[in-house]
Amino acid sequence: AQRVTQPEKLLSVFKGAPVELKCNYSYSGSPELFWYVQYSRQRLQLLLRHISRESIKGFTADLNKGETSFHLKKPFAQEEDSAMYYCALWSLYGNKLVFGAGTILRVKS
Amino acid sequence: GAGVSQSPRYKVAKRGQDVALRCDPISGHVSLFWYQQALGQGPEFLTYFQNEAQLDKSGLPSDRFFAERPEGSVSTLKIQRTQQEDSAVYLCASSLNSPKTGGTYNEQFFGPGTRLTVL
Repeated sequence: AQRVTQPEKLLSVFKGAPVELKCNYSYSGSPELFWYVQYSRQRLQLLLRHISRESIKGFTADLNKGETSFHLKKPFAQEEDSAMYYCALWSLYGNKLVFGAGTILRVKS
Repeated sequence: GAGVSQSPRYKVAKRGQDVALRCDPISGHVSLFWYQQALGQGPEFLTYFQNEAQLDKSGLPSDRFFAERPEGSVSTLKIQRTQQEDSAVYLCASSLNSPKTGGTYNEQFFGPGTRLTVL
């Protein structure tokens, strides 16, 4: 079965501190993994995907197949990063996104 | 241009009532998805359309849930005889092409959701 686990419901950091949002997955085969973000009063939107290997708003995520992880990182948190973050896996078994439960990131000034 | 829109944004229903939730995808988008998001959880897949064809309805939790997209654009998710456990945010998403065109995931664009509360 495909499953995405985000172990932290809430992560609270100070502005300028490093951020790591954890994501682990279970999947048979080669997964495609994503991070989605939902800012306050806004809709869910794609932040980044592992195949593009790009940095978006200073965030990066590396797929570690050995540890089945796809943690989201940013070296220096900003207040505008405060949001709900969802890790998601693209399932080839049914053409659907499988989401984790989400982590609230709060960046304090 | 306009994104995915959903209506109503909020719906309160008494247990046992039928409800209909509407989704207007981005114009020209072939694929349409419905997700259910319970409080404190991530979105969970309900069903998927490619144009007017419902290709996957494996996520619909019971036969009280029914979705249609008769002309390949607007979609309606209908819930009959609502129960308290149906209370959730229902999200609609659309993507330009079929989900895995050319081996690449096609980004899904999400609507604002409809928050359903069943009393």
